[in-house]
Amino acid sequence: DTGVSQDPRHKITKRGQNVTFRCDPISEHNRLYWYRQTLGQGPEFLTYFQNEAQLEKSRLLSDRFSAERPKGSFSTLEIQRTEQGDSAMYLCASSFGTGGPDTQYFGPGTRLTVL
Amino acid sequence: AQTVTQSQPEMSVQEAETVTLSCTYDTSESDYYLFWYKQPPSRQMILVIRQEAYKQQNATENRFSVNFQKAAKSFSLKISDSQLGDAAMYFCAYRTNYGGSQGNLIFGKGTKLSVKP
Repeated sequence: DTGVSQDPRHKITKRGQNVTFRCDPISEHNRLYWYRQTLGQGPEFLTYFQNEAQLEKSRLLSDRFSAERPKGSFSTLEIQRTEQGDSAMYLCASSFGTGGPDTQYFGPGTRLTVL
Repeated sequence: AQTVTQSQPEMSVQEAETVTLSCTYDTSESDYYLFWYKQPPSRQMILVIRQEAYKQQNATENRFSVNFQKAAKSFSLKISDSQLGDAAMYFCAYRTNYGGSQGNLIFGKGTKLSVKP
């Protein structure tokens, strides 16, 4: 079990560019979550997948954001036309849930800086 | 909507001493879970301890224990025999057990814990 991995760890981009982040969950984990964490704040929920189905999206997830989880394995989070306000740490977490309590395991995050 | 409040932005403790981190939350639900996560500097977040709301007994994990007061909506974390490796940001988090928003965690702003040698 290698844990949740995220790539890249750091991304610097110019305003208006598109960026894509990848998350590889712990194998056999059916649930996958994306959070955003800005400086001095706790993580804020963005979206949630159970297997390949995107079951919930936060209002924080504007139309410029899209997430996928093809085949219920890895997930990607894309931000189009980035803005300076998108600068944050993007965290991915995974868990194995069957309806009862499940523990979310977090990845190291992708730090995005929009210039 | 549920909210989580951590009123102590920073705390400090002497090595080997005990420290308590505070957390309060607001919810109208009766079935939920509460968590404490630790985020060391430049490292990923890890679960410290978990409490099911329907359990009256306070959860304990080695040197970490909680004081769960459901009526007061309070969920504090006690760290005993503090070690240098305990220095980190600590986040309190809430998760409903009802359908719809069953998955996501709602976090507080965190408490930065420093451990003095």
